[in-house]
Amino acid sequence: QQPVQSPQAVILREGEDAVINCSSSKALYSVHWYRQKHGEAPVFLMILLKGGEQKGHDKISASFNEKKQQSSLYLTASQLSYSGTYFCGTEIGNQFYFGTGTSLTVIP
Amino acid sequence: ETGVTQTPRHLVMGMTNKKSLKCEQHLGHNAMYWYKQSAKKPLELMFVYNFKEQTENNSVPSRFSPECPNSSHLFLHLHTLQPEDSALYLCASSRLGGRDSPFLFSYEQYFGPGTRLTVT
Repeated sequence: QQPVQSPQAVILREGEDAVINCSSSKALYSVHWYRQKHGEAPVFLMILLKGGEQKGHDKISASFNEKKQQSSLYLTASQLSYSGTYFCGTEIGNQFYFGTGTSLTVIP
Repeated sequence: ETGVTQTPRHLVMGMTNKKSLKCEQHLGHNAMYWYKQSAKKPLELMFVYNFKEQTENNSVPSRFSPECPNSSHLFLHLHTLQPEDSALYLCASSRLGGRDSPFLFSYEQYFGPGTRLTVT
């Protein structure tokens, strides 16, 4: 039931772009994205409720492909502050599952 | 500060002890959650309370017992835990879809700082 994220880990230099994918074997009702820094609680980034929906703020955006049962998070011109573990959260049926996580490290 | 507080922040307990974790939210939300985060494992949803009613328990062992006396407070009572229960326990809150909404998880969740639990 748990969505699978890819890649598991990525290292970027400041200014580079990254894409994190979240795929499910079940139909998704909604997709959340969170970022968790080491030793801290997860922090909400954005939520997508409809297939085809795209959202973004600052230089982080996401899309939701309902037919493919997947969502992607796009980070452009990465900053050091983007480092952390990114989780997608998906509503499947009447339950909620977080993805396997993607560790992102931005280096100078 | 997210508006969700948890106490204690760290807890060490023996397998025969009984302890409780406390969570309080100051955001006016009507849903609260308990999550377990183990090393190298994704966040696992343990319990959901919607309008003070438990709506999900995801087959959590009975040694974990939640209590939600009102929409602002959530407890997790622990007894006869096992070493494999050592983990970070996170509380979260959110608005929730109405009682007739098909989407229970339509709003962002705000997490507390967590309680790091060690069972010896």
